[in-house]
Amino acid sequence: AQSVTQLDSQVPVFEEAPVELRCNYSSSVSVYLFWYVQYPNQGLQLLLKYLSGSTLVKGINGFEAEFNKSQTSFHLRKPSVHISDTAEYFCAVSDGGNYQLIWGAGTKLIIKP
Amino acid sequence: NAGVMQNPRHLVRRRGQEARLRCSPVKGHSHVYWYRQLPEEGLKFMVYLQKENIIDESGMPKERFSAEFPKEGPSILRIQQVVRGDSAAYFCASSPPGDTEAFFGQGTRLTVV
Repeated sequence: AQSVTQLDSQVPVFEEAPVELRCNYSSSVSVYLFWYVQYPNQGLQLLLKYLSGSTLVKGINGFEAEFNKSQTSFHLRKPSVHISDTAEYFCAVSDGGNYQLIWGAGTKLIIKP
Repeated sequence: NAGVMQNPRHLVRRRGQEARLRCSPVKGHSHVYWYRQLPEEGLKFMVYLQKENIIDESGMPKERFSAEFPKEGPSILRIQQVVRGDSAAYFCASSPPGDTEAFFGQGTRLTVV
């Protein structure tokens, strides 16, 4: 069965510094990959998704992620974070054609002024 | 366009009472998904519904939990005889047929006292 691992439960980073949030999934023939953000007391908002094609995916708010099939990873990056990026970030995976999303436990991004 | 609307946002129930959670999908979306988020964990799939049909309820506890998506009106997640372990955030998502992106509501935070 598919599983998703977000290696860091919290990532503290200074404002304007770069950040990488890590996500690994168990291997599958084909997968769809997603990053969602949850701001405090809010619902989940899609940041970006990988379905096929270019392995570098650009999303909203300056985030991007790179699909690495050999390492079964889909790490999320931003070159310069802002205080408004404070949120919890979730990586999710579905097997190609399967509607069910399998979720990581989330990573809290903590921005230090 | 209104997004996925969930109500109530917060619900407090005593042990043994019933909890009813409502979800109005994005207009035109015929697929609804319910997920549960326990504290410090990622989301877990519960059930997938289309209008008047349960497609997959493999993530639903076998007892006390039920879900419906009637022809008219919102989708309802019903939890009978709630216990403390049911305390969680319950998220609803919707999508149109064949789309890989699910749009999430803000969730209902259920607290059982």
